[in-house]
Amino acid sequence: NAGVMQNPRHLVRRRGQEARLRCSPMKGHSHVYWYRQLPEEGLKFMVYLQKENIIDESGMPKERFSAEFPKEGPSILRIQQVVRGDSAAYFCASSPDRRVEAFFGQGTRLTVV
Amino acid sequence: DQQVKQNSPSLSVQEGRISILNCDYTNSMFDYFLWYKKYPAEGPTFLISISSIKDKNEDGRFTVFLNKSAKHLSLHIVPSQPGDSAVYFCAASSSHTGNQFYFGTGTSLTVIP
Repeated sequence: NAGVMQNPRHLVRRRGQEARLRCSPMKGHSHVYWYRQLPEEGLKFMVYLQKENIIDESGMPKERFSAEFPKEGPSILRIQQVVRGDSAAYFCASSPDRRVEAFFGQGTRLTVV
Repeated sequence: DQQVKQNSPSLSVQEGRISILNCDYTNSMFDYFLWYKKYPAEGPTFLISISSIKDKNEDGRFTVFLNKSAKHLSLHIVPSQPGDSAVYFCAASSSHTGNQFYFGTGTSLTVIP
C-alpha cells in the first residue's frame, strides 16, 4: 500500500505564474488535508477536503489559492499569480476517517523566483 | 494566533537518557492530540496519539501524557536513541470546531551518542 504521494517534489515558478501541486492519498483514504510550512515555522492548516467536497478552508488565503479533490484523480492545490511569499513547503495528508491520525506525503517545495 | 505552542525550539539529550518534549495549548475544545516526527526534506511521520478521555498513552519507548487542567501534554522517549534525532511536532484537533489539526512550531531533538 503506497503512502501519500505528492508531486512534484520541487517546483520553481516565476512571479505571476501558476503553481499546481498534486496529492494522491493512501488507498482507502477519502479525507485530505493541505498544510503549508514557511521557513522556521510550524505547519499551518490550509484546507480539509473529502471526496468532491471542501469541508473546511478556513486556513486558505482568500485570493489566488484554491483546492479540489475530484471523484477520480488526485487532490490539487492551485496557486495563481504566485508571489515570493508563497515560497514554502506544502504538505498533503490523508486519513480514512475524520478522528484518526493523518499520514503525510513528502511535500512539495515551491520556490518563487 | 498560535493555539498549540512548543516553547522549546531545541533539546539535546544523551543517548540512553529520557527525552521530554513539551506542548501547551490554549483551546479548551481540543480533544484529540498527536505527536509527529519529522526528518529534513521529508513529511511528518505519525508517532502516537491521545484522546482527552485519557491522561496517558504508551507505545514502546514513547509515552504521551495529557494534563487537561493545565492544557499541557508531553512526549517522553525512554531510552533515547541517536535515530530519534528529528523535529517533533505536537498537534491538536477538536471534534466540535472541525477536523483540521493545529500544529506547534516543533522541537528539534538531538540525541548525543
